[in-house]
Amino acid sequence: NAGVTQTPKFQVLKTGQSMTLQCAQDMNHNSMYWYRQDPGMGLRLIYYSASEGTTDKGEVPNGYNVSRLNKREFSLRLESAAPSQTSVYFCASSEGPGDGNSPLHFGNGTRLTVT
Amino acid sequence: GEDVEQSLFLSVREGDSSVINCTYTDSSSTYLYWYKQEPGAGLQLLTYIFSNMDMKQDQRLTVLLNKKDKHLSLRIADTQTGDSAIYFCAERMGTGGFKTIFGAGTRLFVKA
Repeated sequence: NAGVTQTPKFQVLKTGQSMTLQCAQDMNHNSMYWYRQDPGMGLRLIYYSASEGTTDKGEVPNGYNVSRLNKREFSLRLESAAPSQTSVYFCASSEGPGDGNSPLHFGNGTRLTVT
Repeated sequence: GEDVEQSLFLSVREGDSSVINCTYTDSSSTYLYWYKQEPGAGLQLLTYIFSNMDMKQDQRLTVLLNKKDKHLSLRIADTQTGDSAIYFCAERMGTGGFKTIFGAGTRLFVKA
């Protein structure tokens, strides 16, 4: 099983350029998430989609937009990249919503550098 | 506010036990998780504990939860060099919640 697949794996952008990070999951999960990982700060939630057709802001949404294209795919767009967006981006999915156990399943990440 | 704290670094000798500690702030957390991240990879679920449990054991892993003090720990028995990784504590927020809050991660270094 592929699980959660992210593309691209690496990307270098110049300040002001735009790009879209792609994410797809094959586990029939309802919820999908975008996190960024920075040294010493753990993972911070950018946006999430509790179910197909809905998206909501997380802790650090400024400078990003998302699209839940269908149940499988959830993309993250940087409209005008800034050096502060240099980070490792992780997509995740979970069975959610609800009160039950719903651990996150992660992709391998996209390492983005903005110069 | 919502916060998960853990120490950033732990070094142990091969064969010893490792104990990684975590504190959290949200008393309505339902599930608490430990994830493992190896270099260049995403996070993988290691184990979890439901908030009404005190302890969970899974082979070499023991999770202890002190709900009164909002303290979670992960003990790895007979630590091996392959256990070297970053370990993240995480809490799933409240009833029906979608958010999972992560700590900054503890880097475990195992000396041969």
